[in-house]
Amino acid sequence: KAGVTQTPRYLIKTRGQQVTLSCSPISGHRSVSWYQQTPGQGLQFLFEYFSETQRNKGNFPGRFSGRQFSNSRSEMNVSTLELGDSALYLCASSPGGTSGGLKLSEQFFGPGTRLTVL
Amino acid sequence: AQSVAQPEDQVNVAEGNPLTVKCTYSVSGNPYLFWYVQYPNRGLQFLLKYITGDNLVKGSYGFEAEFNKSQTSFHLKKPSALVSDSALYFCAVRALFTGGGNKLTFGTGTQLKVEL
Repeated sequence: KAGVTQTPRYLIKTRGQQVTLSCSPISGHRSVSWYQQTPGQGLQFLFEYFSETQRNKGNFPGRFSGRQFSNSRSEMNVSTLELGDSALYLCASSPGGTSGGLKLSEQFFGPGTRLTVL
Repeated sequence: AQSVAQPEDQVNVAEGNPLTVKCTYSVSGNPYLFWYVQYPNRGLQFLLKYITGDNLVKGSYGFEAEFNKSQTSFHLKKPSALVSDSALYFCAVRALFTGGGNKLTFGTGTQLKVEL
């Protein structure tokens, strides 16, 4: 199976602009999660989508949003970019399932999108 | 709230020697624990996980981890380190029975440097 793919791999934007990042999960996976990685804050959970619905959300401002399509592909949008949004944005996919069930699985991460805000 | 602590920013070890990367966690209920490795300019690669069962978990590339409930620890180990093991290692926890979902809480990461 092909792994998780993220596009674009690198992106340079200026303050105030908006950006959309894309993630294609492993075939058959229904859960897509997004994480932000920065040297100062480390890896932080942004949100998770499962079957086109946001299932979990981290502590990020409303400028950060996402969505998931019927084919499980997900997009993440950041509006009104700030310098502090410069980061590696990682997407992770997993089959899904509930926390109380037996289908718990590790998440498989994509290579990330490196966003630089100037 | 759940949290993970990796007390060492960097661990240095000579090739061929055993290595240990430490991780302690805090979570309500039973934990679901992971180790991931990150090479430069790459995403995270899964190494191993603990859900339930044996306290010693074996994973990829010869790595293993020992779950200790009383000490709330999940240390990563390898009997004989390789230079190619040099990378950034992350411990993560996901609480069970949180109503569903895949929210992982990561530690700050430990840079492993294996020298000849």
